[in-house]
Order: sequence, then structure tokens, then C-alpha cells
Amino acid sequence: TQLLEQSPQFLSIQEGENLTVYCNSSSVFSSLQWYRQEPGEGPVLLVTVVTGGEVKKLKRLTFQFGDARKDSSLHITAAQPGDTGLYLCAGADYTDKLIFGTGTRLQVFP
Amino acid sequence: SQTIHQWPATLVQPVGSPLSLECTVEGTSNPNLYWYRQAAGRGLQLLFYSVGIGQISSEVPQNLSASRPQDRQFILSSKKLLLSDSGFYLCAWSVTTGDEAFFGQGTRLTVV
Repeated sequence: TQLLEQSPQFLSIQEGENLTVYCNSSSVFSSLQWYRQEPGEGPVLLVTVVTGGEVKKLKRLTFQFGDARKDSSLHITAAQPGDTGLYLCAGADYTDKLIFGTGTRLQVFP
Repeated sequence: SQTIHQWPATLVQPVGSPLSLECTVEGTSNPNLYWYRQAAGRGLQLLFYSVGIGQISSEVPQNLSASRPQDRQFILSSKKLLLSDSGFYLCAWSVTTGDEAFFGQGTRLTVV
């Protein structure tokens, strides 16, 4: 069974701090996505990375795909209360499955 | 534009009762379809996925089943619910593997 382990599981920080969320697996993925989910709703896509070593930036969010395409990270600079939510990585393998990570719950206090 | 409908939004069912959750997609054809279950505040567990009519792949052995009777319809069923079946069920679709997955609003199932 493929697993995507995210760390940390919970993160509680003050506004303005930086943070990094990690997504690790022993499996290779053809692409990796990051989603954000609000309570009671479905996840919404933030970014997709497809090339090993790829780095993508979305305003204060920086996403990186590992060289071996087994891991990824999400870095948020100067976190804001609006960044609060559940962050999920998801890996697409070569058999049509989309596997989600264990999730990181982020709380940013003003 | 494409839309995904999932119902019901909430459901309370007694142990041993049957279950049927329905998901339909509009505005696209031959989508990949997925059923996930989510424990409170945690990640999504892939239950079933389908790349075409009648093609269902099961990820986790359990008392749930899925069917795809039409191209854009995906149904999650159980003959007898267990307490452990409680959770937040999400249906999703994508154009193909690796593309953005679009989710329904989810069904919160409580088995009592």
C-alpha cells in the first residue's frame, strides 16, 4: 500500500512566522499535488509539480518536488491567519490512483 | 463548465442498514472518478477509483462497494453498515490521472 506521510501533523504558529510542511513516500510518483481544505468542504488544488527538483512559487507559498519524485515540501513565508486550514499532498502514480497524504493542520494566530 | 454533485450532505444510519451515496459529474466525459473517506482533520483514504464505465478498482478491503453504471455516475454502497463506516465521504473527478481533482461537497455519515 502506498503511503504519503506528512509532517508535522499539527502546526500552530503566530502571524508572520515561516513554516515548512513535508510530504514523504517510499514510492515514486509521476506528479505531486498540494491541496488546501476548509472544514466541511472538499480539498482545493494549490499546485501541481511534475518534474523532479521542480520548484513552484504561489505568492508566499513555495512548493518543491524531490529529485527522486518521492517527496515534496511546502514552505509558507510570513504566515497569515487566512492560511489556516488542512494542507494535503497527493501523489499520482502510474496506475491511475491519486493517493493523498496524512494531512497537516495549520493554525495561524493573529 | 464542469460540476460535481454529491448527495446527501449528511446521513445518520443505524448499524446493519444499507447505504447508497451517489455522485454525478456534468460537463465532461469519461472522467476518472474517485471515492475517498476522511477521518476528522486527517488525510483522505482512497476507497475506490474508476477510469471507465464498469471499471472499478478497490483499494481497501471492507464492506463497501462501488459501481459506475453510467459514464458520469459513481455510487458507493454497503449492504450492512458498521460503526467504523462513520466518516466524511468525498467523491472526486479528474480529466486523467495527475490532473487536478475536483471534489464534491462531501457526505458526513454517522452510523449509530
